[in-house]
Amino acid sequence: SQQGEEDPQALSIQEGENATMNCSYKTSINNLQWYRQNSGRGLVHLILIRSNEREKHSGRLRVTLDTSKKSSSLLITASRAADTASYFCATDYSGNTPLVFGKGTRLSVIA
Amino acid sequence: DVKVTQSSRYLVKRTGEKVFLECVQDMDHENMFWYRQDPGLGLRLIYFSYDVKMKEKGDIPEGYSVSREKKERFSLILESASTNQTSMYLCASSLRDRRGGYTFGSGTRLTVV
Repeated sequence: SQQGEEDPQALSIQEGENATMNCSYKTSINNLQWYRQNSGRGLVHLILIRSNEREKHSGRLRVTLDTSKKSSSLLITASRAADTASYFCATDYSGNTPLVFGKGTRLSVIA
Repeated sequence: DVKVTQSSRYLVKRTGEKVFLECVQDMDHENMFWYRQDPGLGLRLIYFSYDVKMKEKGDIPEGYSVSREKKERFSLILESASTNQTSMYLCASSLRDRRGGYTFGSGTRLTVV
């Protein structure tokens, strides 16, 4: 399976702290995307980083990509209770195959 | 507000029934996808479609079929529901070049008893 792997599986932090989640994948990619899922709902697209990019920002989100290590990280700064959700990475391996999703990291932000 | 709409949030069906899960998108997206999500297994791709009347098998197509007669609608069919098909089913769509990523529906939690 080409499924990516998120690490850790679960993360619990206090409000105001930063949260870092990691994703590793297996073969060369076109881009890597991060999604968020609130409990029992669909996934929401957060950010896309292309294979020729090393870092990208969107609000309190910062994504890095290291293609030599085949890994990416998602940093959420100054976390809030509303950030409590599961976060998934998804890899785009080629122009014609569907995204492959990891198993996700469950983030709990405690107020 | 653009969206993907799944016809039911919760569904309970009996073993052996034929089950239809409907998904409609209003974004004129070419690509549509059906995933199932189970604890510890993440999202697994069942079927996808890149155009009307086209369909491709994903990683776990057994026991499922799909129909895409119109661009905006992608239906997932469980020919004879079984208890191991109890799951959360997620529909998604995207542009042909996938810029902007996937847009997901809210999901259908199906229980087969």
